[in-house]
Amino acid sequence: KQEVTQIPAALSVPEGENLVLNCSFTDSAIYNLQWFRQDPGKGLTSLLLIQSSQREQTSGRLNASLDKSSGRSTLYIAASQPGDSATYLCAPRGGSQGNLIFGKGTKLSVKP
Amino acid sequence: NAGVTQTPKFQVLKTGQSMTLQCAQDMNHEYMSWYRQDPGMGLRLIHYSVGAGITDQGEVPNGYNVSRSTTEDFPLRLLSAAPSQTSVYFCASSPSGRSEQYFGPGTRLTVT
Repeated sequence: KQEVTQIPAALSVPEGENLVLNCSFTDSAIYNLQWFRQDPGKGLTSLLLIQSSQREQTSGRLNASLDKSSGRSTLYIAASQPGDSATYLCAPRGGSQGNLIFGKGTKLSVKP
Repeated sequence: NAGVTQTPKFQVLKTGQSMTLQCAQDMNHEYMSWYRQDPGMGLRLIHYSVGAGITDQGEVPNGYNVSRSTTEDFPLRLLSAAPSQTSVYFCASSPSGRSEQYFGPGTRLTVT
């Protein structure tokens, strides 16, 4: 059974810092991995989808990397801003029907 | 496109009552799914569908029924609500089981 761990569970940084959020998963037989953002009381917003054949995927100030063989993904946020404050969730997709399995998330707070 | 829509946004039920959470998407996506999100547990898959007429169980299916008579709609039925079903429910869809998944805004359900 796939298990997903996100470290740290919470992170507080001053504005402008570059930061890394970590995601590890136990079953490397995945099709892809999706990173989401969730604001308090809201739904999930897809940030990046990285395919199992890719090493990196970039969108603006966000960069996701994937090392499938070691069961790790990282989300790099450059020049953080207070508007980046949210919970970030990682979800690898695998299995016969391609279901997402979620980690518990990293709660990020960026202080002005 | 409206994307993935869910109704209602909030609902309070008494133990033993039944209700249906509605989910619709206008993107012609084949894959649809239901998750519940509980504090400290992350998102867990309840049921999913890979196309009209096809449904299957996820990680936590007990107490819930689904059907998929059209591509657009994927309702979730609670047959006899229990306090343990108090949660936030999210519906999601994607073109296929291996594509980027899009989430609705959620339904916050309280069972007293």
